[in-house]
Amino acid sequence: DADVTQTPRNRITKTGKRIMLECSQTKGHDRMYWYRQDPGLGLRLIYYSFDVKDINKGEISDGYSVSRQAQAKFSLSLESAIPNQTALYFCATSDWRGTEAFFGQGTRLTVV
Amino acid sequence: DAKTTQPPSMDCAEGRAANLPCNHSTISGNEYVYWYRQIHSQGPQYIIHGLKNNETNEMASLIITEDRKSSTLILPHATLRDTAVYYCIVRPREGGGSNYKLTFGKGTLLTVNP
Repeated sequence: DADVTQTPRNRITKTGKRIMLECSQTKGHDRMYWYRQDPGLGLRLIYYSFDVKDINKGEISDGYSVSRQAQAKFSLSLESAIPNQTALYFCATSDWRGTEAFFGQGTRLTVV
Repeated sequence: DAKTTQPPSMDCAEGRAANLPCNHSTISGNEYVYWYRQIHSQGPQYIIHGLKNNETNEMASLIITEDRKSSTLILPHATLRDTAVYYCIVRPREGGGSNYKLTFGKGTLLTVNP
């Protein structure tokens, strides 16, 4: 089983719909992250969480919200999806030192 | 603000060494150099990191210049499966807040040819 699992892997949704992307990890790490990747670009940080009670905005948090339900689970929500949120979304986790981050396989989201 | 500069693309013959350069002229004393790679839209994968000494692991070697303003990632015997986008990242090894994030640029697309 993968260390970091994202569901769904692919999703097509309509403009205005609410959608949740889920992430779970088996590494036992406290720190979890959500990134977004647009074609031809690097990853941009949406939100990060250092533990269950510590959630922080990243560089592009507008239009997104997150929930850290447990140490192992970190969900990303789009309250009202819009087409420019079409992207590849990655969840990641690291220990407190952050030496190595482990990424999920990504969720490809299309908003039509 | 870009903290690293990498060539957009490079080619390498299978079985030969791939040398990927990275400039980080504004690196500060507490910042490490990290390398990740991303194979065809998969999640990025950690390769190696270093502060000032050369480092080697089972995947690659990292050579950092004495002034720490640039580095080179070396894949000693590139295979077709090494075709990927390689990201050079600088950041503190430990810390809180926004310093803790990995900031990905556009990286270098390495294509390993048969």
